[in-house]
Amino acid sequence: GAGVSQTPSNKVTEKGKYVELRCDPISGHTALYWYRQSLGQGPEFLIYFQGTGAADDSGLPNDRFFAVRPEGSVSTLKIQRTERGDSAVYLCASSGGDTQYFGPGTRLTVL
Amino acid sequence: QKEVEQDPGPLSVPEGAIVSLNCTYSNSAFQYFMWYRQYSRKGPELLMYTYSSGNKEDGRFTAQVDKSSKYISLFIRDSQPSDSATYLCAMWSTGNQFYFGTGTSLTVIP
Repeated sequence: GAGVSQTPSNKVTEKGKYVELRCDPISGHTALYWYRQSLGQGPEFLIYFQGTGAADDSGLPNDRFFAVRPEGSVSTLKIQRTERGDSAVYLCASSGGDTQYFGPGTRLTVL
Repeated sequence: QKEVEQDPGPLSVPEGAIVSLNCTYSNSAFQYFMWYRQYSRKGPELLMYTYSSGNKEDGRFTAQVDKSSKYISLFIRDSQPSDSATYLCAMWSTGNQFYFGTGTSLTVIP
């Protein structure tokens, strides 16, 4: 596709459940980023992939969060044992060089 | 100290006004500077980006970077109600993560 796509657009889950959020980057972009954005805040960095490997995962808040990009294209952010504090918009962005382009985000609500 | 500081506003201006949005930063290694526009319930949309110091103009938008002062600005001329959004500054250096400001909420009143 022409831009970054993310699925699902909305996800409602119960506390303690497992969720997966998917990101499909712009074709050919080697770098992929995950962010979390709370209301009234800028994007908070989670993890950055260069190709298949995580170049920087220093933003992952704890070991309940994990992300993969097995073939260097699509990425999945996985959250185990979700907590109410995980509720936020999860943004994905991809980059082919100088800057990055964002997807529409997945709005996660943990009840 | 945060890597990037941005006044959250909110900023409210009449239609046709000139708007000035600003960010300061602490890391002198930043090389690329970006402005994103984010409408409610949407992902950030790249508006402008510049490399190193200087000015860049695109239609009604002008981005300025002053690396000596660690200060960047976005000017919007002849502001329109459709410019009402949150504006995020961002910056990075090659091989590193991007750093974002908290965003400035702008409302342009018809």
